[in-house]
Amino acid sequence: IAGITQAPTSQILAAGRRMTLRCTQDMRHNAMYWYRQDLGLGLRLIHYSNTAGTTGKGEVPDGYSVSRANTDDFPLTLASAVPSQTSVYFCASSDGGLSGDTQYFGPGTRLTVL
Amino acid sequence: AQSVTQLDSQVPVFEEAPVELRCNYSSSVSVYLFWYVQYPNQGLQLLLKYLSGSTLVKGINGFEAEFNKSQTSFHLRKPSVHISDTAEYFCAVSESNQGGKLIFGQGTELSVKP
Repeated sequence: IAGITQAPTSQILAAGRRMTLRCTQDMRHNAMYWYRQDLGLGLRLIHYSNTAGTTGKGEVPDGYSVSRANTDDFPLTLASAVPSQTSVYFCASSDGGLSGDTQYFGPGTRLTVL
Repeated sequence: AQSVTQLDSQVPVFEEAPVELRCNYSSSVSVYLFWYVQYPNQGLQLLLKYLSGSTLVKGINGFEAEFNKSQTSFHLRKPSVHISDTAEYFCAVSESNQGGKLIFGQGTELSVKP
């Protein structure tokens, strides 16, 4: 079982370009999440989805969009990248999306916006 | 609004010594509490979590944490650390009325020296 896969592993992107980070899980989990990790700030929730077809905004959603067309995939799109979006991005999933559920994390995508 | 504070950004310790990583939270509703570990260049994995019941929670790799409601703390401890425990540790909180969304602390970098 692979768990959660993320692609690409790393990317250098020019400011103003559009970028989609991919996330796929094979655990049939209902809920999925996108976080960004910045030094000294920990992880901050960008967007989440409690089930296929629904999405919600997290703590830092501006400049990002998501879609959840099916259970397995949860892509994160930066419509027009800016340098402040330089970060490490983690996708996670949980079985039911409930408060006490364990979240399982992917390996991350390191994004640099120049 | 809920928040999580990890009181130490870096904790250096010698091998086989005990360690405590401190975490305090604030919330106006009941919470669930988590500790995650991130090894270098990897995603996060769950160490332990507190949902209810006994306030002393045991996790993987010999770690344990104690929930103290009056002090709003959830400190992580290990009686004897190994070199392999070198990693970043994140405390996280999920409020009972917020679904699976996690609020993370800033992280504590544990460095175990021989």
